[in-house]
Amino acid sequence: DTGVSQNPRHKITKRGQNVTFRCDPISEHNRLYWYRQTLGQGPEFLTYFQNEAQLEKSRLLSDRFSAERPKGSFSTLEIQRTEQGDSAMYLCASSSWTGRDSPLHFGNGTRLTVT
Amino acid sequence: AQSVTQLGSHVSVSEGALVLLRCNYSSSVPPYLFWYVQYPNQGLQLLLKYTTGATLVKGINGFEAEFKKSETSFHLTKPSAHMSDAAEYFCAVTNSGNTGKLIFGQGTTLQVKP
Repeated sequence: DTGVSQNPRHKITKRGQNVTFRCDPISEHNRLYWYRQTLGQGPEFLTYFQNEAQLEKSRLLSDRFSAERPKGSFSTLEIQRTEQGDSAMYLCASSSWTGRDSPLHFGNGTRLTVT
Repeated sequence: AQSVTQLGSHVSVSEGALVLLRCNYSSSVPPYLFWYVQYPNQGLQLLLKYTTGATLVKGINGFEAEFKKSETSFHLTKPSAHMSDAAEYFCAVTNSGNTGKLIFGQGTTLQVKP
């Protein structure tokens, strides 16, 4: 169990550019979640996958955001035409889903700064 | 719908003093509750969880929490604060469906003074 890995740790980009983040979940975890956290707030749910299927997307996930999890392993989150309001910490979590009591295991996040 | 309210965005205690971080929840189904800790520039680490059974739950680093259905509360305590406990703490509730997603409170920053 090497934990959830996220890359890059930090990303600075100019407004209007596209960015992509990667998440490698704990091996064999069937569920993967993306959250967004702004300063002084708790994480907010964005989307989740069960294996390769994206099962739910939050209304926070505008059409500029897209997430994939090909082959049910790693996942990518892409933001197109970034805006300053996208500046946040993007957290990935995974779980071995067996029921509602299954805890989420979080990575260290990718901090995005849009200038 | 599920929600969590953490009372007090900042809590300051002296080293060795009791830590009490408050969490109240709202849930349309029997709640599954979690406490996570976040150190600066890091992700969230699970401290403890309540699902069913014993209402007093023990977690890592000497923390524990008590589920009180009548008060819809799940407060986090530690008898004696250590400097290394300084961090942000989040209470969360599982949503009612089978998504497994967590709904988080806004967090409480714990400061420990020497």
